[in-house]
Amino acid sequence: KQEVTQIPAALSVPEGENLVLNCSFTDSAIYNLQWFRQDPGKGLTSLLLIQSSQREQTSGRLNASLDKSSGRSTLYIAASQPGDSATYLCAAGDSGSARQLTFGSGTQLTVLP
Amino acid sequence: DGGITQSPKYLFRKEGQNVTLSCEQNLNHDAMYWYRQDPGQGLRLIYYSQIVNDFQKGDIAEGYSVSREKKESFPLTVTSAQKNPTAFYLCASRRSGSGTDTQYFGPGTRLTVL
Repeated sequence: KQEVTQIPAALSVPEGENLVLNCSFTDSAIYNLQWFRQDPGKGLTSLLLIQSSQREQTSGRLNASLDKSSGRSTLYIAASQPGDSATYLCAAGDSGSARQLTFGSGTQLTVLP
Repeated sequence: DGGITQSPKYLFRKEGQNVTLSCEQNLNHDAMYWYRQDPGQGLRLIYYSQIVNDFQKGDIAEGYSVSREKKESFPLTVTSAQKNPTAFYLCASRRSGSGTDTQYFGPGTRLTVL
């Protein structure tokens, strides 16, 4: 059974700093790896999706990488801003037709002005 | 605007009562999902449906029931058999087919048992 871990559970950085969020998964036979953002009391917003055949995806200041062999993914945020403060969740997608996701518990990021 | 709506935003239930959470999407997506989120934890899958009139149990289906009579709608009923129903419930949808793996989420319903 897939297990997804995100460390640290919380992270606080000053504005402008570059940072990396980590995600690890136990079963390397994933179909894809997704990163989501969740603001307090809100739903999830998809940030990046990396297919199993890809190594990385980029969107603006965000870059996500995937290393299936080591069971790891990272989300790199460049030049962090207070508006980036949120909880970031990663989810491993399986190859079944329903594309079920197994979520990590998230990293709560606070960017200090 | 296309999207997923969930209602109500907040729901209070007395012990022993069944309650139904609404999820509607106008994205023309085939697949729909229900998740539960507890404080400080990730999402856990309750039920999912890939097509009208068909649905499958997820990891924590006990005490919950669903129906999928229309493509746009996937209501979740939290029954009295669910022993600890207080949580944040999220609905999601996904368009079936290759290259369509992203799940889109609704704003959630927070259920509190009094």
